[in-house]
This record gives sequence, structure tokens and C-alpha cells, in this order.
Amino acid sequence: SAVISQKPSRDICQRGTSLTIQCQVDSQVTMMFWYRQQPGQSLTLIATANQGSEATYESGFVIDKFPISRPNLTFSTLTVSNMSPEDSSIYLCSVEDREGVNIQYFGAGTRLSVL
Amino acid sequence: QKEVEQNSGPLSVPEGAIASLNCTYSDRGSQSFFWYRQYSGKSPELIMSIYSNGDKEDGRFTAQLNKASQYVSLLIRDSQPSDSATYLCAVNSYGNKLVFGAGTILRVKS
Repeated sequence: SAVISQKPSRDICQRGTSLTIQCQVDSQVTMMFWYRQQPGQSLTLIATANQGSEATYESGFVIDKFPISRPNLTFSTLTVSNMSPEDSSIYLCSVEDREGVNIQYFGAGTRLSVL
Repeated sequence: QKEVEQNSGPLSVPEGAIASLNCTYSDRGSQSFFWYRQYSGKSPELIMSIYSNGDKEDGRFTAQLNKASQYVSLLIRDSQPSDSATYLCAVNSYGNKLVFGAGTILRVKS
């Protein structure tokens, strides 16, 4: 399976600021995904990021709040903009294994706290 | 609304027993089903995938799928304290997307 590096691993941010999370994969992958996991909750898909096209956002998530870049087949970023304490969550990137069927592997996650 | 439902638990089993985790899903068109394990403070780790009706075994883990009943289960034989974690059921929806259940907390007591 692909090796996924996500950074930062954690951060504490002030209200109103923005944080960009990076996801680097050791092999080329078509599909990358960004999830949010709020405290004690399961994973919620924010958006799907394909190289060369705009990200596809799920209901309840908008590009102005969560802009995503996907400049090539091994890298993506998620920005959490104009943060509020409600954005305190774990943010996870995942990639779809090219050899599997819908199999996704996850990065270690970014634990974000907004004060 | 596409949903995946799991009993949140916690499910407590003694060491060496069989742990049985269950999951139901609402989208009859789903074709791919997964079990992830998530330790506290860690990211989800894939432990089983299943695509066809029946059983699939991998070591101490057995995944069971019944598409007619829209039901997926995970059996863990000879449960160990190291199996204590949250187990997430995931089902594909609209192609590549996965929908995750809320997770079942498993506690294996030594």
C-alpha cells in the first residue's frame, strides 16, 4: 500500500486564522480524499481531490472554507480558512489504492485545536 | 441519505473469546465493504475488505457479507487485549466514495 505523509501532525491555532495541511504520497494516485473526524465521531468526507480538476465537495462543505489543491498525482493540500473553535477536529487525507477496489489508506492525520 | 449503522458499544469480551461486530447499510447499490480499526489517537487502519456474499477469512479475522440483508459483520477469534480499539465499517457509495459508520468500541479484557 502507498505510504502517506501528512503534516503538520498537530497544531493549535487562533480564531480567524488559516491552516494548510499537506498530504504527500510515495506513489502516483488518482484519487485523494480529505476527511474530518470530530471528537468522538466517525469520519466525514469533506471532498474528493483529483489531479487536474477542481475538488468535489460534499454537502455542508464549501470551497471558500476548505480550499483544496491537487497540483500533481502525489500531493494535495487542504486549507481550513477563517477558523473557529468548531473547526477543532482531526483532519485526515486518504488515497485510493490503484490495485484495489475502492480501498483507501489513510495518513496519520492532523489534530487541530482552535482557540 | 446513504447510511451505515453500527452499534456504538462498548462491546466487552474476555481474552480468547470471539468478538462479533455488526454493520448494516442502506444503499443496495454498494459493492465494496471494509472494516477499519482505529486505535485512540491514531488514524484508521484497513483490516478487511469484502466484495462478494459469504465469508472471507484473514488470520483471526473473518468478514461476512449478506447483500440481500444489507449486512456486514466482522468476527475476531481468540480476541487479544491489543484488539481493543474502535472498529469502523465503511461502504462504498457513488463509485469511489466511502461512507463510514459511527464505529463500535471493542474492549478485550485480560
